[in-house]
Amino acid sequence: SQQGEEDPQALSIQEGENATMNCSYKTSINNLQWYRQNSGRGLVHLILIRSNEREKHSGRLRVTLDTSKKSSSLLITASRAADTASYFCAPLTGGGNKLTFGTGTQLKVEL
Amino acid sequence: GAGVSQSPRYKVAKRGQDVALRCDPISGHVSLFWYQQALGQGPEFLTYFQNEAQLDKSGLPSDRFFAERPEGSVSTLKIQRTQQEDSAVYLCASSLALGGEMAGYTFGSGTRLTVV
Repeated sequence: SQQGEEDPQALSIQEGENATMNCSYKTSINNLQWYRQNSGRGLVHLILIRSNEREKHSGRLRVTLDTSKKSSSLLITASRAADTASYFCAPLTGGGNKLTFGTGTQLKVEL
Repeated sequence: GAGVSQSPRYKVAKRGQDVALRCDPISGHVSLFWYQQALGQGPEFLTYFQNEAQLDKSGLPSDRFFAERPEGSVSTLKIQRTQQEDSAVYLCASSLALGGEMAGYTFGSGTRLTVV
């Protein structure tokens, strides 16, 4: 069963705009991670936020976490065509070992 | 190695055939995971190893699926008597720290299995 669920399922924006993706999950977590997957390739780790953190930045990425609402968001600022990919949130559950994924948000950044 | 290596990259199997998928994790990574990703879906957890110990196999869909990591490094996922519903990309990931705390999980490029 899928733990994290992303919203929206698909997002199309123009280059230079910001992209925001949301994630909801069901049970308590140790941390929550975001991954990117380009078509036909493996997943790439983007950023990790711990359960006691509320916000984290890495380059053009900003992640927030609200454990009371069991939700997270990923903001990509000043998007580029190369950001076109599927984005997955992955809450870490199962005693701290099991990373579970939702169905992802398909982001398309157009020139 | 520099990354997680999976082989073969593509595998076509006739229904009923047995297959073996290999994963070479990053050297020194004690945690190793297998995931199954169907087309258009997110990866689904299959099983997890800490060194050679298989600590969680709750995601294996049936007893036709078997995974091993006998020496705590290379792992093999074996599927017996393949069925069409087994067609998917099988992803392997490894992690240095528990829960991916230091740098997340590093994924391989996957093996795309097609059962015909």
